[in-house]
Amino acid sequence: GQNIDQPTEMTATEGAIVQINCTYQTSGFNGLFWYQQHAGEAPTFLSYNVLDGLEEKGRFSSFLSRSKGYSYLLLKELQMKDSASYLCAIMDSNYQLIWGAGTKLIIKP
Amino acid sequence: DADVTQTPRNRITKTGKRIMLECSQTKGHDRMYWYRQDPGLGLQLIYYSFDVKDINKGEISDGYSVSRQAQAKFSLSLESAIPNQTALYFCATRGPGDVNEQFFGPGTRLTVL
Repeated sequence: GQNIDQPTEMTATEGAIVQINCTYQTSGFNGLFWYQQHAGEAPTFLSYNVLDGLEEKGRFSSFLSRSKGYSYLLLKELQMKDSASYLCAIMDSNYQLIWGAGTKLIIKP
Repeated sequence: DADVTQTPRNRITKTGKRIMLECSQTKGHDRMYWYRQDPGLGLQLIYYSFDVKDINKGEISDGYSVSRQAQAKFSLSLESAIPNQTALYFCATRGPGDVNEQFFGPGTRLTVL
């Protein structure tokens, strides 16, 4: 079967660092996406990993280990506007996206 | 102007009514998708289309139908709405190549009473 697991909710402090984990088991793998979704709004693309390692993009970084079926999204220097849900999605062997339920991140002052 | 638009943005209807949700895009993408999102669940794929007249079922197509009238337009219909179809519906597009990201419309919040 196909399964993507993320924590349901996390809380962090403004200015700090937070790591959001995603583990997966899917039929085929053609990459892993992270999206940000503010409440009631559309998801927006953050990052894409297909090879093992770390991809850095400003305050956000995404890591992938294909052998472990594991990824994380690292957010640095947290700002209040980073309060949102973070969605992990796997592109399967048919190039379709399988979505995790998302992690709701709450930032406190 | 938004690249992917959806109408209506909000809709309240009654059980048994026929509903159509519209999606338009100006990105020139061939691939279009309809998803529904329920609290605590991931986005679930309803239907997708790779070109005009190409229609493919997703994981939860029962109770829904779609029409791809033109490259830029992809509409979703609920022939006879039921309360458990109450959800947030998103249209998305994707460009050529296998691994491009998807671009989402603003969503339609549908309530079926």
